[in-house]
Amino acid sequence: QLQLQESGPGLVKPSETLSLTCTVSGGSISSSSYYWGWIRQPPGKGLEWIGSIYYSGSTYYNPSLKSRVTISVDTSKNQFSLKLSSVTAADTAVYYCARLGRIEGAFDIWGQGTMVTVSS
Amino acid sequence: DIQMTQSPSSLSASVGDRVTITCQASQDISNYLNWYQQKPGKAPKLLIYDASNLETGVPSRFSGSGSGTDFTFTISSLQPEDIATYYCQQYDNLYTFGQGTKLEIK
Repeated sequence: QLQLQESGPGLVKPSETLSLTCTVSGGSISSSSYYWGWIRQPPGKGLEWIGSIYYSGSTYYNPSLKSRVTISVDTSKNQFSLKLSSVTAADTAVYYCARLGRIEGAFDIWGQGTMVTVSS
Repeated sequence: DIQMTQSPSSLSASVGDRVTITCQASQDISNYLNWYQQKPGKAPKLLIYDASNLETGVPSRFSGSGSGTDFTFTISSLQPEDIATYYCQQYDNLYTFGQGTKLEIK
């Protein structure tokens, strides 16, 4: 059974770079049928797609975050990662990684999420 | 950017009620629309994909319909475990979620 698990610091200082990794277990990140994505949710608010990556390394990002986001993949470790630069308090959120179907465009398997707080 | 507008933002209903949530896209998205359920402190769960297809294992009391710009999500008979926030999501052009509908028991 495929599982995703986010990991990374829970506290990041303003202006620094937020870095998270999602480890995929129970299946291969190199499947041709799926992309892999990051979604975030500020406390008490809705869901915001951050960006997605294919195992080949092709990426696409939310235009509102594109200038600050980098998503990468390491197929040897079955992981993909998120870097968000120049963070502010507005980037405080629960960050989820998820599997994204190439055809139906649905996030069908999610990690449990990890809370990241931006504060000095 | 495609904007997704859900209504209502919150809803109170009784067990056994039929519940309907609507989602409107800012432009034609065909049937590229999914629905999720999120319970407090948990990750979202995919319920409906391609506007009307039930994800495997999801109870049949959940259904979806619509195409173009107007979509509907229905719970035919509300159960206590359905208390959650529901989100629509388009994938016609990148990915955008609606603002969510919080469903409570009356």
